[in-house]
Parts: sequence; structure tokens; C-alpha cells
Amino acid sequence: DADVTQTPRNRITKTGKRIMLECSQTKGHDRMYWYRQDPGLGLRLIYYSFDVKDINKGEISDGYSVSRQAQAKFSLSLESAIPNQTALYFCATSVDEGAQETQYFGPGTRLLVL
Amino acid sequence: LAKTTQPISMDSYEGQEVNITCSHNNIATNDYITWYQQFPSQGPRFIIQGYKTKVTNEVASLFIPADRKSSTLSLPRVSLSDTAVYYCLVLSGNTGKLIFGQGTTLQVKP
Repeated sequence: DADVTQTPRNRITKTGKRIMLECSQTKGHDRMYWYRQDPGLGLRLIYYSFDVKDINKGEISDGYSVSRQAQAKFSLSLESAIPNQTALYFCATSVDEGAQETQYFGPGTRLLVL
Repeated sequence: LAKTTQPISMDSYEGQEVNITCSHNNIATNDYITWYQQFPSQGPRFIIQGYKTKVTNEVASLFIPADRKSSTLSLPRVSLSDTAVYYCLVLSGNTGKLIFGQGTTLQVKP
């Protein structure tokens, strides 16, 4: 079984709809992250959480919100989806290892906003 | 966070050794250099990490000169399955924030 899972794997929605992407992990890691990737580009950080009570904005948080329901679960919401939020979304987890930290990524959710 | 620069793309043939160089002129004393690999429609995967000199694992080697302003990822005898995007990152202290650039798209040809 995969250590980091994301649901759904693919989603098509319409402009203005609210959607939620979910991430679960069995690695027991405290740190969780949400990234988006656009075609031909690297990943950009949306939000991150270092523990259940900690939520931080990343590079591109506008239009997104998150919820850390438990150590193992971190959800990303698009309150009112817009077409330029069409992208591949990745969840990742890690433990605090300072500058030697390694992040473990989920399989991704492909989102299309019409 | 130190900015990294690496080639956009590289081509190679099966069985060849591939070296991808990354520049990180502003690397700080406590920073580590980390490389990730990403296959199409998959999340990035950690390959190797180092601080100085040379690090080797079952997948690759990482060479870091004394000034640490650059690093070279070496993939021995590549195969078609090594076709992927390779990202060089510099991670600082306790931030936990990875900065991904465009990476280097490696295309391995038969």
C-alpha cells in the first residue's frame, strides 16, 4: 500500500464550484505539504503544516485553503474554482531533519476547471 | 533560500553515463544539496543528498566541489527508464520548504 495517498486522482469541475482534494499518509510524519504543478514547470508550494495545529501559507496560497484534520490527513480546498487552477496537485510529507529533510510525495491529483 | 540553475534539457543514449550539473552560487554554510527525480504524472522522488565531496548510493552519485557553489548528479549507464525530470534543490535549515525550479528533462534514447 502506498504511504501517501491522494483522492481523487482525477477531477473535472466547473468554474465557481467548491472542491476538496484529500491527502492521507501512513508514514507517521508530522509535516505535510500541498504543491501544484503546471505543464513544463516545477512544483510550487501552496500550503504547509508542521503539525496538527500549525498551518502556513506557501508561495501561491491565494484562492486555496487547507485543513489539517489529524496528523495523517491534510485537505486542500478550492472555495470557488477558476480555470487557472487547472493543474496537477501533489501532497507530500516529511519529518523534521533540518537541511537534510526528505519529502515523500503522493501520486498527484489532476484537476481540470472548466 | 539559495537559487539553483540547471540545464533545461539533456539527451543521452542507453548505457551512457549522464552528468547533470547544478549551480547554487548563494549556498549557505548549513545548506544541503538534494536531487529529486520525477516521472510523467508522478510525484517527485528523492534520489540523493549531500553536503560536500562525494556521495554514492545504488541509484546515483553526487559530486560537490570544495566551494559548494555547484554540484553534479551522475547517473551511471542510463536506461530508457531513467527518462525523467531531475530537480536540484538546496534546503536551508528548518524551513522545510523545497523550491523546485524547472528541472532538467533527461531523454534517454535507444
